Amino acid sequence: KAGVTQTPRYLIKTRGQQVTLSCSPISGHRSVSWYQQTPGQGLQFLFEYFSETQRNKGNFPGRFSGRQFSNSRSEMNVSTLELGDSALYLCASSLNPGALNTGELFFGEGSRLTVL
Amino acid sequence: GQQLNQSPQSMFIQEGEDVSMNCTSSSIFNTWLWYKQDPGEGPVLLIALYKAGELTSNGRLTAQFGITRKDSFLNISASIPSDVGIYFCAGTTGNTGKLIFGQGTTLQVKP
Repeated sequence: KAGVTQTPRYLIKTRGQQVTLSCSPISGHRSVSWYQQTPGQGLQFLFEYFSETQRNKGNFPGRFSGRQFSNSRSEMNVSTLELGDSALYLCASSLNPGALNTGELFFGEGSRLTVL
Repeated sequence: GQQLNQSPQSMFIQEGEDVSMNCTSSSIFNTWLWYKQDPGEGPVLLIALYKAGELTSNGRLTAQFGITRKDSFLNISASIPSDVGIYFCAGTTGNTGKLIFGQGTTLQVKP
């Protein structure tokens, strides 16, 4: 069974640009969550999608957005990049969303974004 | 918002030693989980706890869900070099089930 796949694995952008990251969940998993990981802040929750609907959202500015497609694949977008957006962006999938979720997430390897 | 305070932030131990780390919160959590992240990888679930007082083992790892539902600990016995990595506690709270992570404990093991 294939795991969670994230693309691209590494990318470099400059300030002001925008970026789109992609995540394919484990087959059969319908919930996708996104996290930002930085050395100083740990894992910060961005948002969660289920059935193409955003169910939960973390405390990030509107420059961070996402969506989920009918096949459960998800994308997240960051517009007007800032230096502080440099981080590892992790996608995780689970069978069920939100309150039905036991917290058991399956993570991808992440997309490492560097903003210059 | 809810926060998890994880300690220690880092540990450097000798192979064979036991390790203990914990997480505390001012809020009540419904589940507690422990994840491990190897370098260059995403976190992987080690142990999940669903009831207050629950004590669960996974090989050399043992974790407990605190009675107050506001804390959890993870113990690793007889550490080996492959235990190196970042250990995260995590928990779900409230009705949304949103998963919140601790800051992580970086473990280094000296052979």
